[in-house]
Amino acid sequence: AQSVAQPEDQVNVAEGNPLTVKCTYSVSGNPYLFWYVQYPNRGLQFLLKYITGDNLVKGSYGFEAEFNKSQTSFHLKKPSALVSDSALYFCAVRDGGNTPLVFGKGTRLSVIA
Amino acid sequence: NAGVTQTPKFQVLKTGQSMTLQCAQDMNHEYMSWYRQDPGMGLRLIHYSVGAGITDQGEVPNGYNVSRSTTEDFPLRLLSAAPSQTSVYFCASSKTGHPNTEAFFGQGTRLTVV
Repeated sequence: AQSVAQPEDQVNVAEGNPLTVKCTYSVSGNPYLFWYVQYPNRGLQFLLKYITGDNLVKGSYGFEAEFNKSQTSFHLKKPSALVSDSALYFCAVRDGGNTPLVFGKGTRLSVIA
Repeated sequence: NAGVTQTPKFQVLKTGQSMTLQCAQDMNHEYMSWYRQDPGMGLRLIHYSVGAGITDQGEVPNGYNVSRSTTEDFPLRLLSAAPSQTSVYFCASSKTGHPNTEAFFGQGTRLTVV
């Protein structure tokens, strides 16, 4: 069965600094990986997804994610954080076919002005 | 663009009461699912459906029933509400056919069971 780990409950970063939100995964086949963001009292919004063959994937709002097969990781990155990036971020994985999306526990990002 | 619509947005139930959380999507998505979100637990899958007439259990199905009579609707029924079912519930939909398809989420239903 597939699983996702987000090792940090909280990440704090100063505005303008680069940010990284970590995600590692476990699947039996090819990984289908996603990042979602949740703002307060809102649903989840899709940010980006892994595309086979692209180790650096670009998504919405200037976010990107780095896929590393040997480390089974899909870390979310942004070169310069904004206060408005403060939110809850979820990594998710699907193990092929019509299997459900499995989510990590989420990482709360706080960007401080 | 309506997308995924959940009703109600908020609900307070007494222990033992039953209710149905509604979910509808207008994107002709075959795949629909229900998650619950609890602090520190992330999103946990309750039930999912790959198409009309087909449903399956997720990680935490106990106390919940679903049915899928149409492509558009996927209601979640709480049979006899318990305080442990206090949570935020999210419905999601996506196309089937390729696992690299992203899911679209509703705005959530915040349920409190007293």
